[in-house]
Amino acid sequence: KAGVTQTPRYLIKTRGQQVTLSCSPISGHRSVSWYQQTPGQGLQFLFEYFSETQRNKGNFPGRFSGRQFSNSRSEMNVSTLELGDSALYLCASSPTTSGGAGEQFFGPGTRLTVL
Amino acid sequence: GQNIDQPTEMTATEGAIVQINCTYQTSGFNGLFWYQQHAGEAPTFLSYNVLDGLEEKGRFSSFLSRSKGYSYLLLKELQMKDSASYLCAVPITGGGNKLTFGTGTQLKVEL
Repeated sequence: KAGVTQTPRYLIKTRGQQVTLSCSPISGHRSVSWYQQTPGQGLQFLFEYFSETQRNKGNFPGRFSGRQFSNSRSEMNVSTLELGDSALYLCASSPTTSGGAGEQFFGPGTRLTVL
Repeated sequence: GQNIDQPTEMTATEGAIVQINCTYQTSGFNGLFWYQQHAGEAPTFLSYNVLDGLEEKGRFSSFLSRSKGYSYLLLKELQMKDSASYLCAVPITGGGNKLTFGTGTQLKVEL
């Protein structure tokens, strides 16, 4: 079974621009979560989607948004980019949305650099 | 809210045993995960504990004490490839797959 895939793998943008990242979960997985990873803050939860609905949301500003399609693929968008948005953005999929027992499988991430 | 603490860095010798500790504070408890992350790669699942005690899986074992809000990951017969960041994480209660991660423990295995 193919793993979680994310595109693009690397991206360079300038301040003020917007960006869209894509995630394809493992086949059959309906839950997709997004995380931001930076050296200073570690892995921080952005949001989770299940059956095209946002189930949970982290403490990020409204510039960060996402959506999920009927085939469970997900996108996240960051508008009005700031230097501090430079990070590794990780997507994780899970077959369930039951929380504790739901092991999450991570994709390789998209490395975003904001200049 | 949720808070997780783990040491920032640890160094150990090839062939030795190392214990990576994690303490947590949560408003509810729904288990605890350990993930391994090599530099430049995605985190990969190591273990999940929901009941007290030790879970052994090959060279890796994970321990949980819910009353103490404490877990550790035990790595035996260390190999150079075990050099990585080890992340402790707890899920929220009430449904959903939100994980709160610790900042990770960077383990360096030396000859």
